[in-house]
Amino acid sequence: KAGVTQTPRYLIKTRGQQVTLSCSPISGHRSVSWYQQTPGQGLQFLFEYFSETQRNKGNFPGRFSGRQFSNSRSEMNVSTLELGDSALYLCASRGTGGASHEQYFGPGTRLTVT
Amino acid sequence: GDSVTQMEGPVTLSEEAFLTINCTYTATGYPSLFWYVQYPGEGLQLLLKATKADDKGSNKGFEATYRKETTSFHLEKGSVQVSDSAVYFCAHTNTGNQFYFGTGTSLTVIP
Repeated sequence: KAGVTQTPRYLIKTRGQQVTLSCSPISGHRSVSWYQQTPGQGLQFLFEYFSETQRNKGNFPGRFSGRQFSNSRSEMNVSTLELGDSALYLCASRGTGGASHEQYFGPGTRLTVT
Repeated sequence: GDSVTQMEGPVTLSEEAFLTINCTYTATGYPSLFWYVQYPGEGLQLLLKATKADDKGSNKGFEATYRKETTSFHLEKGSVQVSDSAVYFCAHTNTGNQFYFGTGTSLTVIP
């Protein structure tokens, strides 16, 4: 079974621009969560999508948004980029049933804002 | 609110040394507990888990026991190898819908 994939792996943007990151979950997984990882803050939860609906949201400004498609693929968008948005963005997918508490992470997208 | 506190790093050990990374959590109810490992340039991988009090999770020589009375889930390994060098994250979830992670502990094992 293929793992969680994220594209692109690396991205460099300028302040004020916007960016869209993509995540394809493990086949059959309907839940996708997004996290921001920075050296100072660790992993910060952004949001979770399940069956195309946002189910949970962390404490991030409205510039951070996401969506999920019918095939469970998810995108995350950040508008009006700030230098502080430079981070590793990780997505994780989760199945259902007995293993529903196990998250499987992708390799991440490294975003650098200049 | 819910949170995870894990010991600050970085931790540097010689090969074959004993490893302990402390983790305590704050949660309502009875969460599931996890340790994840992140190797350089990669995402997080599930290392082990425990879903109820007194459960012991184990994998690749690593162990952690769910201690409800002390709200702890300390990670241990009897003899570390150079290949164990990575960042280790403790995490918990109640519902499975939102996970809470510690800030990570960097481990370097030297030959």
